[in-house]
Amino acid sequence: AQTVTQSQPEMSVQEAETVTLSCTYDTSESDYYLFWYKQPPSRQMILVIRQEAYKQQNATENRFSVNFQKAAKSFSLKISDSQLGDAAMYFCAYEETSGSRLTFGEGTQLTVNP
Amino acid sequence: EAQVTQNPRYLITVTGKKLTVTCSQNMNHEYMSWYRQDPGLGLRQIYYSMNVEVTDKGDVPEGYKVSRKEKRNFPLILESPSPNQTSLYFCASSFVSGSMSNTEAFFGQGTRLTVV
Repeated sequence: AQTVTQSQPEMSVQEAETVTLSCTYDTSESDYYLFWYKQPPSRQMILVIRQEAYKQQNATENRFSVNFQKAAKSFSLKISDSQLGDAAMYFCAYEETSGSRLTFGEGTQLTVNP
Repeated sequence: EAQVTQNPRYLITVTGKKLTVTCSQNMNHEYMSWYRQDPGLGLRQIYYSMNVEVTDKGDVPEGYKVSRKEKRNFPLILESPSPNQTSLYFCASSFVSGSMSNTEAFFGQGTRLTVV
């Protein structure tokens, strides 16, 4: 079974600084999808960024980018120019291409200090 | 507006009293699933459904039931709730296959359930 591990239960960053959230996963598949979701206090699950495993290029969405290391099974999220609105719980998730089941990590609570 | 709607958003109940959390989507998605979120454990899948009348167990199905009689609805049933089912519950839906953009999961607003 696939597993996803987020080893940082909590992280903090100063406003306007850069922070990186870590995620590792385990799978025997060669093609799959990876995601980062943001969960603010409103509890809504918001898709931040996604990566297809067969694509070597790292995904980027405005201030959010990933460092995808397929051989190391690592998928970290970098948030640049952090804003107060970035404060939230962040979940890393894995999905097989053959289905729509998401496997989530434990989550990282990000605090942004003014 | 494309959305997944869960009801209720908050529920406090007593041990053993049957309850149903409803989930409805308006995107004609084949795939629907239920997750529970607990501190330090992330989201874990309870049950999922690939289409009407097709359901299967996820990682933590004990104590839960589901049904998929219509494509748009996927209710979660707790026939005899216990305190260890106190959690935050999410319903999600997506298309079954296709490109990555097609398989994006849409989540409901969450249901905070407390069993006393």
